[in-house]
Amino acid sequence: DGGITQSPKYLFRKEGQNVTLSCEQNLNHDAMYWYRQDPGQGLRLIYYSQIVNDFQKGDIAEGYSVSREKKESFPLTVTSAQKNPTAFYLCASSIATDGLEKLFFGSGTQLSVL
Amino acid sequence: AQTVTQSQPEMSVQEAETVTLSCTYDTSESDYYLFWYKQPPSRQMILVIRQEAYKQQNATENRFSVNFQKAAKSFSLKISDSQLGDAAMYFCAHSSGNTPLVFGKGTRLSVIA
Repeated sequence: DGGITQSPKYLFRKEGQNVTLSCEQNLNHDAMYWYRQDPGQGLRLIYYSQIVNDFQKGDIAEGYSVSREKKESFPLTVTSAQKNPTAFYLCASSIATDGLEKLFFGSGTQLSVL
Repeated sequence: AQTVTQSQPEMSVQEAETVTLSCTYDTSESDYYLFWYKQPPSRQMILVIRQEAYKQQNATENRFSVNFQKAAKSFSLKISDSQLGDAAMYFCAHSSGNTPLVFGKGTRLSVIA
């Protein structure tokens, strides 16, 4: 079955530690996205990529980094510079890169700070 | 910048009744899409309905329909014959040009048996 796989489902970060959230899709989609969800805040865009080896910052990119070396994969690293990383992280992909097509979402990763 | 506003943080509806969730948006683009996503307690995001701005006819999907008022920049979701499984967070979203979806803060819908 085609879809988006996020791992792990739950992740814990120690102070000063970088952690990487995985996102893999087998839908052959060009565009991929990372959103952060906090209670009462909706979904906010962290980074997005419309093509391999290219990505753009979203509204809340500070403290995060991404890479897009393969079409299927778009990992997100939460760095130690992100002082409030506790949130639910959603990865998504879309067929088109023009922003007009629907997003397909993964099942999310809950990140908590120890 | 594009913005999406959902003015109702929480709503409730009796089972089998009808409820309308509000959404307004702001954009300077003429070509755009609008979406309603449902997020149940599993937190999986599920597309409920999509509306293309150039279409005057309101989109419908079974018990779900929208009231799209382009001039007023309003995009409300109507759920008819509400069911217990409709209880969830509902997010309104907007996309235009070459920019990713922008989401509202959501409305939590409770369904009372």
